[in-house]
Amino acid sequence: GIQVEQSPPDLILQEGANSTLRCNFSDSVNNLQWFHQNPWGQLINLFYIPSGTKQNGRLSATTVATERYSLLYISSSQTTDSGVYFCAVGTGTALIFGKGTTLSVSS
Amino acid sequence: NAGVTQTPKFRILKIGQSMTLQCAQDMNHNYMYWYRQDPGMGLKLIYYSVGAGITDKGEVPNGYNVSRSTTEDFPLRLELAAPSQTSVYFCASRTRGGLTGELFFGEGSRLTVL
Repeated sequence: GIQVEQSPPDLILQEGANSTLRCNFSDSVNNLQWFHQNPWGQLINLFYIPSGTKQNGRLSATTVATERYSLLYISSSQTTDSGVYFCAVGTGTALIFGKGTTLSVSS
Repeated sequence: NAGVTQTPKFRILKIGQSMTLQCAQDMNHNYMYWYRQDPGMGLKLIYYSVGAGITDKGEVPNGYNVSRSTTEDFPLRLELAAPSQTSVYFCASRTRGGLTGELFFGEGSRLTVL
């Protein structure tokens, strides 16, 4: 099956810093999504981005489908950005998750 | 809209007991999913469904069963619970086709098997 690798596994930032999270996948996909899991365990969809670039406030994402990777950019990080960021990919109905990047933002 | 609703939120089982985790969505989504998340880990796909009457296995289906008799409901059955099934279970749904395939999650069901 398809393999999903996220890096880095952990990231510690000071408030105001920028960061880039990466998601590599092993096969062509027609579905790629980024999620944020907050410290209370709630999973929130950030982007549906099988290709191209999208922006939402301080967050943006780029997927280069031909090279099988996606990047999530967080600018001017805030303490509320802390949590785990997951990438999920799929070629049909099933969506497979990576192990996530744990982000800790301190004030 | 309530979105994706899971019940119960917490449950403790004894080894060998059985139970059903309930999941309902009111968004008329075709696709529904069950994932489990072990501490400090990502989400593993247990089962999924593309519509009423159609289900398929995911990455870790052993020890679980599902059914999809209606578009709205997708219950997950645990038979003969084992300590290895201690986990947080998430139900999710999304629409088929369209401009987005955004996945919506329930709040999770925390299961402990002792």
